[in-house]
Amino acid sequence: DTAVSQTPKYLVTQMGNDKSIKCEQNLGHDTMYWYKQDSKKFLKIMFSYNNKELIINETVPNRFSPKSPDKAHLNLHINSLELGDSAVYFCASSPRENYGYTFGSGTRLTVV
Amino acid sequence: GQQLNQSPQSMFIQEGEDVSMNCTSSSIFNTWLWYKQDPGEGPVLLIALYKAGELTSNGRLTAQFGITRKDSFLNISASIPSDVGIYFCAGQLVSGGSNYKLTFGKGTLLTVNP
Repeated sequence: DTAVSQTPKYLVTQMGNDKSIKCEQNLGHDTMYWYKQDSKKFLKIMFSYNNKELIINETVPNRFSPKSPDKAHLNLHINSLELGDSAVYFCASSPRENYGYTFGSGTRLTVV
Repeated sequence: GQQLNQSPQSMFIQEGEDVSMNCTSSSIFNTWLWYKQDPGEGPVLLIALYKAGELTSNGRLTAQFGITRKDSFLNISASIPSDVGIYFCAGQLVSGGSNYKLTFGKGTLLTVNP
């Protein structure tokens, strides 16, 4: 069983389109995250949800909207995609306690 | 905001050599973590450190949480070809029980020549 699964793995779309990335974890963790990894491999947090409640929003454009229907799912919707949105997006989860994350395998988004 | 300086940026070594990489921070953390990322995959946790001065091993990997809480190092002994990948340090400061954000270093790209 995959602990943190993201879909799709690859996403190629045109500028201006709206797209969603889905994430599910079966670890029973309370907290989930979205990270963006740019072309230089730098990992930067975007959002964090704890038990469906938004707790971190790191100056991400309003075009990005996370949604957590339950604590096992955290989806990312992106409106009006721009070229600069091209990156690998990672979902992750962690227990409530102070501990490391478990990452998904990433979604490579390419905006053309 | 918190910044992590990870060095070196890249390393090219021969199989069997030992490797050392480190991270320093402009502020303190109460958790240090080391991750490895293989191509096309997400980062995988290697070692987690929770106390200043803590020294922890995981097979050929050893990591230490600096006494000042502002630095950490990772050593890999007797490297093998499958050690190739990007290694990330990450620091976490939990305050008020509600902030679980990990701040990542920029990574060390390790290449091992057989």
